[in-house]
Formats: sequence, C-alpha cells, structure tokens
Amino acid sequence: EVQLVESGGGLVQPGGSLRLSCAASGFTFSSYSMNWVRQAPGKGLEWVSFISDSSRSATYYADSVKGRFTVSRDNAKNSLYLQMDSLRDEDTAVYYCAREYYDLGKWFDPWGQGTLVTVSS
Amino acid sequence: EIVLTQSPATLSLSPGERATLSCRASQSISSNLGWYQQKPGQAPRLLIYYASNRATGIPARFSGSGSGTDFTLTISSLEPEDFAVYYCQHRETFGQGTKVEIK
Repeated sequence: EVQLVESGGGLVQPGGSLRLSCAASGFTFSSYSMNWVRQAPGKGLEWVSFISDSSRSATYYADSVKGRFTVSRDNAKNSLYLQMDSLRDEDTAVYYCAREYYDLGKWFDPWGQGTLVTVSS
Repeated sequence: EIVLTQSPATLSLSPGERATLSCRASQSISSNLGWYQQKPGQAPRLLIYYASNRATGIPARFSGSGSGTDFTLTISSLEPEDFAVYYCQHRETFGQGTKVEIK
C-alpha cells in the first residue's frame, strides 16, 4: 500500500524555523517527484514546493515561500523534507506531502494525512 | 498565470440527486485538469485526471468532462459519503473549491 506520513508540525513563533518530514512507503520513492501543498485553516489548497525524482533533483517554490523554505529528499531513507525558516503568521496551515503522478499531466496522488504548523506569538 | 474559478461555492442537494460542479480556467488548458475530493479532517483524494479519466478505485458515479476553459464534475447520484469539498487543479494551481452539502 502506498503511504505518506508527515511529521514535524507544531507551534512556532514568527521568525522561527521548523522542519517537516514525510516518510514514504509502498512504492519506489526515488522514482517519483514529490510536492508539498498546504491548507490554511478553513481555506483552500495552495501548492508550496516541488522536488524532482533522483535523476534531476530540480526544485521549485511558490512565490509566497521562495527564499524562506527549502525542499529536500533522502532517497536512502525514503523521506521528503521541508525546511521552513523566517516563518510568518500566514504560513499557519496543514502541510501535506503528495506524490506527483504523471499521466497526460501533473496530478497529486496520493496525499499524506498532513501536519499542522501554527505560527503565533 | 492560470486562474481556476469554481462555481457554485456551495451546492445544497439531497442524497440520490445529481451534482454538477463547474471549473473555469482563465485561458485554455486543453484537457489538463484534475478534480479532488476532500472530506472534513482528511487529505484530498484524486478523483479525475486529464478532465475525464477516473483515478484508481473511484466509483463510476463520478465523471468529468470538458476541455479548453470549461470543465464539469458530475456525481450522478449522491451517496452520503459524497458530501465534501471538491477542488479542481491544473498543474500547481487549485480552484477555490465547491462544498457539496446535505440539503
């Protein structure tokens, strides 16, 4: 069974840092590009970042997090990470990791259960 | 940048009724559109990809159509478990969602 499990969320003060993890199982992790998508409380979905599979290691970020967040992966540990620095109130959200499924286009399937990040003083 | 606009914001229907959800793109995106279902407290789930292809394990009552700028997600007969929020998606862009609630 394909499974993604996020961890590392919590309460952090504005300007602080947090590192999220996503543990993958049930598929060949190194062969897939991965994404982080977030959802502020009561709001819709916002794509945050992308990292390509092991062959290219390209990374992309939403403008709202560029320069503050860094996505990485450890294929030996089947794990995806999101280092979040200079956190702001507006970064408060549930953060989901999602496998990129490519078939005639880019889709997110499956998703982890999410981890809540709260930025507040 | 592509903008996806979903309508209506909320759809109030009874079990057994047909649901029709709309997603409009700000410019042509061919058939490059997906639909996701999100239930309260749960992660989103891929329902439809490339406008009309059902994802693995998705019941046949869910269907998608459209191309260019106008897309539709149809639930032919609502089951109790279908009351949820639905999002359309093109690459990294999501629509704002349509909530299907029990009337």
